[in-house]
Amino acid sequence: EADIYQTPRYLVIGTGKKITLECSQTMGHDKMYWYQQDPGMELHLIHYSYGVNSTEKGDLSSESTVSRIRTEHFPLTLESARPSHTSQYLCASSEGSEQYFGPGTRLTVT
Amino acid sequence: EDKVVQSPLSLVVHEGDTVTLNCSYEVTNFRSLLWYKQEKKAPTFLFMLTSSGIEKKSGRLSSILDKKELSSILNITATQTGDSAIYLCAVYGGRSNYQLIWGAGTKLIIKP
Repeated sequence: EADIYQTPRYLVIGTGKKITLECSQTMGHDKMYWYQQDPGMELHLIHYSYGVNSTEKGDLSSESTVSRIRTEHFPLTLESARPSHTSQYLCASSEGSEQYFGPGTRLTVT
Repeated sequence: EDKVVQSPLSLVVHEGDTVTLNCSYEVTNFRSLLWYKQEKKAPTFLFMLTSSGIEKKSGRLSSILDKKELSSILNITATQTGDSAIYLCAVYGGRSNYQLIWGAGTKLIIKP
């Protein structure tokens, strides 16, 4: 069954730690996205990719980085976590206009 | 600046009522408008509306795009408690071919 996966689902981590949020999809989609969403707020695009070895920053200023070495894999890395990074992170992929979302990672930085 | 505005921000109705959710947009290079339903976690796709497909219907849900008014509505008839969710509107357009511009959503609560 084609799907999009994110791990971990929940993460509590201390300030200054390096973390990587994983995202994988089995649909063979070229385009992948990372969004940040605070409760009751709109989705903010932080990174996107339209194929292997191509990544772009979105509209939201972010201290994170991404890589796209394989079509199915689009990890997000925070080099030094801060309390301001506490949020929900959603990964999505698309072939055409419709984006398919993963279940999200709820990150808390203490 | 490109933007998508949804109204109302929240709505509480009783089971069986009909609701209308609104989405207006000011987006350059408009390509399509999408509606999503977000319950506890990830948004799930409902409809996509384009210039060539301005009305969509699926069961009790329907949506219309008004390109002249730069807006869309999402109708839900005979609401059920399972319809309780945040309904998100997003528009493809703006500077990039690949980005969706999102509204803040309408939080819909259906009381039994």
